[in-house]
Amino acid sequence: DGGITQSPKYLFRKEGQNVTLSCEQNLNHDAMYWYRQDPGQGLRLIYYSQIVNDFQKGDIAEGYSVSREKKESFPLTVTSAQKNPTAFYLCASSQGRAGYNEQFFGPGTRLTVL
Amino acid sequence: KQEVTQIPAALSVPEGENLVLNCSFTDSAIYNLQWFRQDPGKGLTSLLLIQSSQREQTSGRLNASLDKSSGRSTLYIAASQPGDSATYLCAVKSNTGKLIFGQGTTLQVKP
Repeated sequence: DGGITQSPKYLFRKEGQNVTLSCEQNLNHDAMYWYRQDPGQGLRLIYYSQIVNDFQKGDIAEGYSVSREKKESFPLTVTSAQKNPTAFYLCASSQGRAGYNEQFFGPGTRLTVL
Repeated sequence: KQEVTQIPAALSVPEGENLVLNCSFTDSAIYNLQWFRQDPGKGLTSLLLIQSSQREQTSGRLNASLDKSSGRSTLYIAASQPGDSATYLCAVKSNTGKLIFGQGTTLQVKP
């Protein structure tokens, strides 16, 4: 059953903690993306990766970090430097390195800061 | 800077009605346009992808059109059903490869 999985579904973080959100895909896609969604706002791009061991900052990368050690995995770390991390986080992937193909999304992780 | 706008923000219709959702973008230099559906608390489901060279795409009761020169796309839903209730998002792929999203139209279909 091909697709994108994200875990956990819900995540609670205390102030000052780093947390890592998991994203795995078995679609053999080259490109992977992380977006953040806030109520009343569209999706905003955090980071993206077009190939293993390479990634680029998106529009709101401050306070976040990523790695791409394997083609199928693109974890996102929300650091304590992110001032307002409470949001819905969505991972996506697409075929091809240029990223011009259809994007497919995972089910999302809802992060809440206590 | 590319901006994507969706109007209206919310729409309520009776079951069985045909309806049109609108999406406009400011820069016509797009690579493609994608329509998504999002149910509350869920991820995005891709509905239709229109390449810049295409005028429309159809999938079942859904038809999406693209007019690059005027910076507009529409999503037509025929014979709406309560199960169509969701938020519909359009996104344009710029020549940098990034998807730029609109804020969505929340649709409610009443039985």
